[in-house]
Amino acid sequence: DIQMTQSPSSLSASVGDRVTITCRASQGINNYLAWFQQKPGKAPKSLIYAASSLQSGVPSRFSGSGSGTDFSLSISGLQPEDFATYYCQQYYTFPWTFGQGTNVEIK
Amino acid sequence: DVQLVESGGGLVQPGRALTLSCRASGFNLGDHGMSWFRQAPGKGLQWVGFIRNKLYGGTAQYAASVQGRFTISRDDSTSLASLHMDSLKIEDTAVYYCARLSRVPYTSSWLADSWGPGTLVTVSS
Repeated sequence: DIQMTQSPSSLSASVGDRVTITCRASQGINNYLAWFQQKPGKAPKSLIYAASSLQSGVPSRFSGSGSGTDFSLSISGLQPEDFATYYCQQYYTFPWTFGQGTNVEIK
Repeated sequence: DVQLVESGGGLVQPGRALTLSCRASGFNLGDHGMSWFRQAPGKGLQWVGFIRNKLYGGTAQYAASVQGRFTISRDDSTSLASLHMDSLKIEDTAVYYCARLSRVPYTSSWLADSWGPGTLVTVSS
């Protein structure tokens, strides 16, 4: 199975900050990488697919980059509604696997 | 609007069976694959399995931890996807989510682009 490792596991930030979350795959996955946002008690929401393509309706302050084994999700100008847990997921091969999540908290 | 709603969760004893349903609306289920994911209390997301649409054979694939115990099916005529879970274990306790899958353009891959709110399954004696 492909292991997905996110860092950091959690971070504290203020409204307006720029934050970056990284995700590393244990083997190359081309750009078959998605990012999800999850708020407590809610279903995950798809943010980014193909490493850098924004899902429809997702604000442009979210951006993704990377290919191969190293990826990142950035949020520029953090908004109150962005405080949540973020997961990366590879869909390059089965079994699909997720990172352990990054909790973005209010400083 | 795309909407997915799971049902059928609840408390079940170890070794028993349970079937979850996922009602789809706002799109043609037959045009999409469907997947199930789960999230144990306080833990991260785990893929359970998925079923292709008929155009791609209608076949299913499963995570190793549920292979042979769980079965995913679909009824496009009623816009319903199901997850039948047999021989349940305590470690199957989780919120179960169904998700719509769309084909990734110019690839053979699928992507989860819409999720239901989830239904809680608790396996306990």
